[in-house]
Amino acid sequence: EAGVAQSPRYKIIEKRQSVAFWCNPISGHATLYWYQQILGQGPKLLIQFQNNGVVDDSQLPKDRFSAERLKGVDSTLKIQPAKLEDSAVYLCASSLSAGNTGELFFGEGSRLTVL
Amino acid sequence: QKEVEQDPGPLSVPEGAIVSLNCTYSNSAFQYFMWYRQYSRKGPELLMYTYSSGNKEDGRFTAQVDKSSKYISLFIRDSQPSDSATYLCAMSAGSSYKLIFGSGTRLLVRP
Repeated sequence: EAGVAQSPRYKIIEKRQSVAFWCNPISGHATLYWYQQILGQGPKLLIQFQNNGVVDDSQLPKDRFSAERLKGVDSTLKIQPAKLEDSAVYLCASSLSAGNTGELFFGEGSRLTVL
Repeated sequence: QKEVEQDPGPLSVPEGAIVSLNCTYSNSAFQYFMWYRQYSRKGPELLMYTYSSGNKEDGRFTAQVDKSSKYISLFIRDSQPSDSATYLCAMSAGSSYKLIFGSGTRLLVRP
């Protein structure tokens, strides 16, 4: 079974530039998550989708971050404009169950460096 | 005060040692408790999953939950160099609530 795919793995940009990350979850997984993991910290949920609907985006900085999952499968996370503090690993995860009590399968992450 | 506290380490032990990793939490509504393992430059992977209080054993790994003390533990027996990773605890109050992660404890098992 293929895991969660993410691209690009690494991205370096200057502040105020834009960047987009892509995620393809495990086939059949209805729930998709984007997490931000800053160095030395645990993952922090940015947004959770159930199929193509948003379940929780309370911690997404909506003035600069946006995410979509148009067909209920793959998803894109965009940052525009980027700030220095956005330097982090952006992890995509998916789960079979609808709630937050099941196993989350994570991708390898997209590492963003903002200069 | 953070909802979930975890000692960042690093914790360095010799091969074969018993390792104890711990998290404390403040939200008494948490019912689902997990331990994830994260190797360097990889995503976290689920190691252990416990609902409510009690113990759960899986091979060399044992997870304990003490809800009265708001304290969870992961024990690793006969630790191996391949166990060297960051261990993240995570917990949730239920299906309608987000999963909250600790900051992770870095473990190094010396050959």
